[in-house]
Amino acid sequence: DTAVSQTPKYLVTQMGNDKSIKCEQNLGHDTMYWYKQDSKKFLKIMFSYNNKELIINETVPNRFSPKSPDKAHLNLHINSLELGDSAVYFCASSRHDTHGYTFGSGTRLTVV
Amino acid sequence: AQRVTQPEKLLSVFKGAPVELKCNYSYSGSPELFWYVQYSRQRLQLLLRHISRESIKGFTADLNKGETSFHLKKPFAQEEDSAMYYCALSFQGAQKLVFGQGTRLTINP
Repeated sequence: DTAVSQTPKYLVTQMGNDKSIKCEQNLGHDTMYWYKQDSKKFLKIMFSYNNKELIINETVPNRFSPKSPDKAHLNLHINSLELGDSAVYFCASSRHDTHGYTFGSGTRLTVV
Repeated sequence: AQRVTQPEKLLSVFKGAPVELKCNYSYSGSPELFWYVQYSRQRLQLLLRHISRESIKGFTADLNKGETSFHLKKPFAQEEDSAMYYCALSFQGAQKLVFGQGTRLTINP
């Protein structure tokens, strides 16, 4: 039973399209995150949500819009995809009082 | 701003040799430091955290506040240690982890 699951694992799409990545955790954690890993393997936080509320938005373009329908889900919608959006996107979750994150397996997004 | 620096992008050692992955951080308060590992085609996993002061898979890391370092060490490297290693920092109320650039460790047979 996967703790943090992301779908899809791979996503190939054309520039200008709109796409979504879904994330679900069954750990009962109250904080969820999206991280971006670029081609140089550098991991950078994008968003952090605590109990469905946005806590952190790290200067991410408005084309990226996270949505948390409940504290077990944090989806990422991306509008007007650009070549530079190609990366691996990781979802993660944690309890509010600890930083022991559990990561999803990642979604490799390729924009062509 | 908080920053984590891993000076080596690539590190290659022979099996059985000692390994040390360097991590330095900049943060003026009391940090929480972590090492995460990503094996090939697998998700990122927590390896160890400084507050636990534990040894996982033979790895240890000591927080040195004077040198602002949290180097990861293992006395005898094994081939299965080949992976990408990330040092990360957080602090009370941060609501996020700040990652270093990562070090790709390769253990040669």
